[in-house]
Amino acid sequence: EDQVTQSPEALRLQEGESSSLNCSYTVSGLRGLFWYRQDPGKGPEFLFTLYSAGEEKEKERLKATLTKKESFLHITAPKPEDSATYLCAVQGKEGGKLIFGQGTELSVKP
Amino acid sequence: DGGITQSPKYLFRKEGQNVTLSCEQNLNHDAMYWYRQDPGQGLRLIYYSQIVNDFQKGDIAEGYSVSREKKESFPLTVTSAQKNPTAFYLCASSAHGGVGHFGDGTRLSIL
Repeated sequence: EDQVTQSPEALRLQEGESSSLNCSYTVSGLRGLFWYRQDPGKGPEFLFTLYSAGEEKEKERLKATLTKKESFLHITAPKPEDSATYLCAVQGKEGGKLIFGQGTELSVKP
Repeated sequence: DGGITQSPKYLFRKEGQNVTLSCEQNLNHDAMYWYRQDPGQGLRLIYYSQIVNDFQKGDIAEGYSVSREKKESFPLTVTSAQKNPTAFYLCASSAHGGVGHFGDGTRLSIL
């Protein structure tokens, strides 16, 4: 059964304190792994897609990496505006549906 | 600008009542999805459709129904059989095998 687990559930950082969020997955043939940012009361906003092990994508202070079993979202020198819930999802080759993890709630204090 | 529109933003259901949540997209995407989000839980798939006039049950389809008569539209009905409907409902769409784009959700509560 396809499954996604994110850790930690919540992360509190000081502004400028770099850290990483983890997304572990099991899927029968990975079509793609997706990272989203979700602000309270809003729908998830797409950040990155990763397709194969070894791939990396960057956007401002965020960098996503992928191995055969997990993905990391590295946050370098975060700012308070980076506070949000970060969601990871996988899409298997068998069907088009996205399987989501439970998310990591990030809080960055000034 | 292309996107997904969900309405209403807030919805209240009375006992024994069916309610319908609207989802419209102008991205020309084939696939559309409905997710439910509860506090502390990830998004759980209710129904999805990969083509017009066809849809499949997700992981928590009981008490819900959908239709896909047009490519642009994928309404979700929360029936009276759904005993715990209070949640944040998210609609998404994607091109085949592509990124999911989300609407801004409908928050459903019980009166």
